[in-house]
Amino acid sequence: GESVGLHLPTLSVQEGDNSIINCAYSNSASDYFIWYKQESGKGPQFIIDIRSNMDKRQGQRVTVLLNKTVKHLSLQIAATQPGDSAVYFCVYGGATNKLIFGTGTLLAVQP
Amino acid sequence: KAGVTQTPRYLIKTRGQQVTLSCSPISGHRSVSWYQQTPGQGLQFLFEYFSETQRNKGNFPGRFSGRQFSNSRSEMNVSTLELGDSALYLCASSRGQGFGGEKLFFGSGTQLSVL
Repeated sequence: GESVGLHLPTLSVQEGDNSIINCAYSNSASDYFIWYKQESGKGPQFIIDIRSNMDKRQGQRVTVLLNKTVKHLSLQIAATQPGDSAVYFCVYGGATNKLIFGTGTLLAVQP
Repeated sequence: KAGVTQTPRYLIKTRGQQVTLSCSPISGHRSVSWYQQTPGQGLQFLFEYFSETQRNKGNFPGRFSGRQFSNSRSEMNVSTLELGDSALYLCASSRGQGFGGEKLFFGSGTQLSVL
């Protein structure tokens, strides 16, 4: 079946450093990918998305990279701040008409 | 613009009971999706409603059901509650159907505890 998996359940970084969160997906027919951020006690919040016809997309302090050859997605956060501490979900959308969330990576920013 | 509102915020039930959760989407949004979130399973898709019709369904037993009203508000019902139904239930709204590339806007969820 389809799956979207995260390699690292927890990522600890120093404030000011860059963070990279990785995600592997299994369905090569996936054509839409999204990153969500979930802070404690809140619902997930949209960060950035990318379609399969793109390799890279940039937002404010965030960049998503898509490597369709190896079915890998990553989220880069520049100059990580304490407010970035949250669980980050890689989400697959498209072929199955469902959005499937990965298990999540906890980003812990150390002051 | 008000966000997605879910009620109640917390709920405690006992096994065998049933529960109804409510979700009010962002004004103008016609799609409402429901997700179950647990520490072990992460976020799992329950179902999606668009224009009062269920458009998609996840792999949950028939005890889980939902509906959407003409004003796009949605309710989710779980009958014959089991201990394993304890979870955070999240509702998300979007203008169109979520799989089509629409951004989902989530509520803060209803934390259900089954004793």
